[in-house]
Amino acid sequence: DTAVSQTPKYLVTQMGNDKSIKCEQNLGHDTMYWYKQDSKKFLKIMFSYNNKELIINETVPNRFSPKSPDKAHLNLHINSLELGDSAVYFCASSQGQGPNQPQHFGDGTRLSIL
Amino acid sequence: GENVEQHPSTLSVQEGDSAVIKCTYSDSASNYFPWYKQELGKGPQLIIDIRSNVGEKKDQRIAVTLNKTAKHFSLHITETQPEDSAVYFCAASRGGYQKVTFGTGTKLQVIP
Repeated sequence: DTAVSQTPKYLVTQMGNDKSIKCEQNLGHDTMYWYKQDSKKFLKIMFSYNNKELIINETVPNRFSPKSPDKAHLNLHINSLELGDSAVYFCASSQGQGPNQPQHFGDGTRLSIL
Repeated sequence: GENVEQHPSTLSVQEGDSAVIKCTYSDSASNYFPWYKQELGKGPQLIIDIRSNVGEKKDQRIAVTLNKTAKHFSLHITETQPEDSAVYFCAASRGGYQKVTFGTGTKLQVIP
């Protein structure tokens, strides 16, 4: 029973392509996140959605567009991929309405740009 | 914005010894401090958290301390085991919908 699942686990593609990563959570949480982890393991938030509404949007290039069709799903579409986009992308969820709720992470999508 | 510093970046201990990881934060309004463990090929998993109204919290071999005046908090692992080997992240947040800012991570190696 995977709580937060991401697909695909690995994504290898050419520079300039467009790709999507999907995320689903079955925890009943109402807040979902996308994080980027670089080669030095630094973990940085990109976006956060609460009940399908964008609440956090860090300084991320507009080539990255999150979409939340419902509160259990948060997908990430990336246009015109660049070498610097190579990283591990993590989806997470939390029960956002309560104070200080812990985040539950998926196992990541490793994106490699050739 | 919040800035979280974490030390050391790598830590090697003998099995059975204790390990301590320290973090400092900059935003005095932060009131929630979770710790995550990331194993190879996996996502970070919460291992313990502490809120600003508590100075210390313990869960079996893991304990966390918080000094709000000095704005630093620490993770203590006692009687370390090889399965404790992983990357550990501290984090800080103002809570609610505020973003969580992560430290730079500590790679812990427990030598059998």
